[in-house]
Amino acid sequence: NAGVTQTPKFQVLKTGQSMTLQCAQDMNHNSMYWYRQDPGMGLRLIYYSASEGTTDKGEVPNGYNVSRLNKREFSLRLESAAPSQTSVYFCASSEQSNYEQYFGPGTRLTVT
Amino acid sequence: KNQVEQSPQSLIILEGKNCTLQCNYTVSPFSNLRWYKQDTGRGPVSLTIMTFSENTKSNGRYTATLDADTKQSSLHITASQLSDSASYICVVSGPGGFKTIFGAGTRLFVKA
Repeated sequence: NAGVTQTPKFQVLKTGQSMTLQCAQDMNHNSMYWYRQDPGMGLRLIYYSASEGTTDKGEVPNGYNVSRLNKREFSLRLESAAPSQTSVYFCASSEQSNYEQYFGPGTRLTVT
Repeated sequence: KNQVEQSPQSLIILEGKNCTLQCNYTVSPFSNLRWYKQDTGRGPVSLTIMTFSENTKSNGRYTATLDADTKQSSLHITASQLSDSASYICVVSGPGGFKTIFGAGTRLFVKA
């Protein structure tokens, strides 16, 4: 089992460019999440998907969109990147909402 | 407002020594509390999870305690090793929907 995988590991974007972060899990989990982590701050929820076919906004959704493509995959899209979106992005999954979460290795994104 | 506060922000200890990290929360109602370990450049990994009725749980050299009345938890690390150098994150969840708050973490440095 690979657990939770994320691609890419690193990315540099110019302001205004768009990109999609990919996430997949092979644990047959129902719930999936996207977080960002900034220095000195806790993980902040961007969007989550409680189950296949549903998505909901988290604490900091502005500037992002998500797609729950199927039970395995949950992608995060930045339509027009801004320097404030420079961060480390983590995808996670859990059997159900509020259960133990399993995290991917993260994507380090820099927007110049 | 639901919050999770951790202390200290950072800690330096000598290899072989014990240490205790603190977590205070205001999340209510309460469902479970988790401690995660996050190595530099990696995603968080779960150490322990406790529900309302549990007041202590161990995972090897890690022992977590929970006082649901005072809304406090601690993580005790015994006989620290160099590999314990990491951030330790306290996470508190409420029941129903998605109500999960991450603390900012305690950065632990274990020196030889």
